[in-house]
Amino acid sequence: EPEVTQTPSHQVTQMGQEVILRCVPISNHLYFYWYRQILGQKVEFLVSFYNNEISEKSEIFDDQFSVERPDGSNFTLKIRSTKLEDSAMYFCASSEEGEKNIQYFGAGTRLSVL
Amino acid sequence: ELKVEQNPLFLSMQEGKNYTIYCNYSTTSDRLYWYRQDPGKSLESLFVLLSNGAVKQEGRLMASLDTKARLSTLHITAAVHDLSATYFCAVDGYNFNKFYFGSGTKLNVKP
Repeated sequence: EPEVTQTPSHQVTQMGQEVILRCVPISNHLYFYWYRQILGQKVEFLVSFYNNEISEKSEIFDDQFSVERPDGSNFTLKIRSTKLEDSAMYFCASSEEGEKNIQYFGAGTRLSVL
Repeated sequence: ELKVEQNPLFLSMQEGKNYTIYCNYSTTSDRLYWYRQDPGKSLESLFVLLSNGAVKQEGRLMASLDTKARLSTLHITAAVHDLSATYFCAVDGYNFNKFYFGSGTKLNVKP
């Protein structure tokens, strides 16, 4: 069964460093998303991406964040200068066009900022 | 901003018992989703409810949607330990570009 894959599964970084989280969405999907989940809290929307541009972003998604689809398969989230409070699980999701709009989630990348 | 509230946040129950998780949301939406999350894992899609009165069942779980009341329920029948997980409901944003998630209900089914 097709699935969303994310790498790495765990990323440890020093505060102030740049990180890139990688995702390979399901191949025929057209909509891509990033969410984050701080430990023990709810899943929060960061950004959605369609047709090679951001379609919506949340207040969390400030200038330190960017997304890119560098080729036909990868979808990346970059954090330019990480802060302690960026420590969270980051989930990538994708969905196809259609009535149901089910978002399929990857297994996540746990980001630990020290 | 659209708000989604779940209750209870924690639920500890014995095997064999029935219980219901509630999900309220703050604005009109015809689509509601239920996900399951095991510790340290991703979110697994359980149900998609696309219209008022929709009811879906899978095994011991049944989900329903009342768009007029802005309420969805996830009913657990004769719980078993394998159902222990955190359950999230989510609602589409206005332009279907994002999900708003509830806080989750952490279910612990005791043998």
